[in-house]
Amino acid sequence: DAKTTQPNSMESNEEEPVHLPCNHSTISGTDYIHWYRQLPSQGPEYVIHGLTSNVNNRMASLAIAEDRKSSTLILHRATLRDAAVYYCILRAMEYGNKLVFGAGTILRVKS
Amino acid sequence: NAGVTQTPKFQVLKTGQSMTLQCAQDMNHEYMSWYRQDPGMGLRLIHYSVGAGITDQGEVPNGYNVSRSTTEDFPLRLLSAAPSQTSVYFCASSYFGTGHGANVLTFGAGSRLTVL
Repeated sequence: DAKTTQPNSMESNEEEPVHLPCNHSTISGTDYIHWYRQLPSQGPEYVIHGLTSNVNNRMASLAIAEDRKSSTLILHRATLRDAAVYYCILRAMEYGNKLVFGAGTILRVKS
Repeated sequence: NAGVTQTPKFQVLKTGQSMTLQCAQDMNHEYMSWYRQDPGMGLRLIHYSVGAGITDQGEVPNGYNVSRSTTEDFPLRLLSAAPSQTSVYFCASSYFGTGHGANVLTFGAGSRLTVL
């Protein structure tokens, strides 16, 4: 399984944008880049995913490097509710693939 | 639409006891999986299944058994509980395909297990 590398923790001010980086230098051509987050005392929830092109949804944006060896999750205006652990994961397109999580990035948001 | 339902939410066991954590989903997802999360740690994959009758090991399978007799259910069995199995357990499911929602995991609320 291709691995991802994320910073252990990051801090942001409320109402400011947050850029959460993820390195995945061994990504294969069929790996999607997934982001999940886990709020305190809750189960993980899906945030966004993409393959090659940048993606936007109501929660966040995903910027994928041209060589796909790194990506950045962008929260446009961080709120206190965005304080969570953010996981960047690779998942192959092929049928039968599993999803393995890393340690993630703890995002702290200051008011 | 219930999504992924885990029972029980909380359980306390004594060392050596056995129990089953239940996981059910009503979304007709082929893929189901179990993770454990120890305090301050990330999620570790225990077992997963890509369809009824098919199961495989994840990162930390020792001490756990699974079966998948139906598409909807994926129970996790602890045959002889140990204190090292004290953790929060999450079940998750997804469907395979190429659509936008394909391969996106839906998680249950978790089951907190304490082994004394």
